[in-house]
Amino acid sequence: DGGITQSPKYLFRKEGQNVTLSCEQNLNHDAMYWYRQDPGQGLRLIYYSQIVNDFQKGDIAEGYSVSREKKESFPLTVTSAQKNPTAFYLCASSAGQGVETQYFGPGTRLLVL
Amino acid sequence: AQSVTQPDIHITVSEGASLELRCNYSYGATPYLFWYVQSPGQGLQLLLKYFSGDTLVQGIKGFEAEFKRSQSSFNLRKPSVHWSDAAEYFCAVGPIVYNTDKLIFGTGTRLQVFP
Repeated sequence: DGGITQSPKYLFRKEGQNVTLSCEQNLNHDAMYWYRQDPGQGLRLIYYSQIVNDFQKGDIAEGYSVSREKKESFPLTVTSAQKNPTAFYLCASSAGQGVETQYFGPGTRLLVL
Repeated sequence: AQSVTQPDIHITVSEGASLELRCNYSYGATPYLFWYVQSPGQGLQLLLKYFSGDTLVQGIKGFEAEFKRSQSSFNLRKPSVHWSDAAEYFCAVGPIVYNTDKLIFGTGTRLQVFP
């Protein structure tokens, strides 16, 4: 089945620790996205990538980093500089040709110990 | 500036009642509009989308939405709600960057369904 997978489902971070969230897609999509979701705030874009080896900051990129070395993969690292990382993180992908639908993964919930 | 507003944070309806969720947008050109649904702890699932043509769009699970350019609205409707429709609903508009699929999302409406 084609789709987007995110792992792990739950992730715990200690103070001062970097953690990496995985996102993989087998839809052959060019574009991928990372969103942060907090209660009452909807989805806020962290980073997006239109093509391999290229990515752009979204609205709340501070304290996060990404890479796009392969078309299928777009991992997100939450660094120690992100002071309030507790949230639900959603990865999405789309064909990237303009006005194509974004398809979402099941999400990763990050909790701080 | 481009924006999406969902005025209702929380709506409660009885099972079998009709439903309308509101979505208003601000966009400089003809928008592309989406409705997504999210069950607790899950990702977003596309319900329907409007790109062009007929302004009344049919989606999955018996939902429909109507694009009204004069009112800058794209309200979601369902004639008879089922208990399984309880979820959070997001409206989105795009593209907010030319030649991309980048979207802006509303803050969501949480639907509660009573038996």
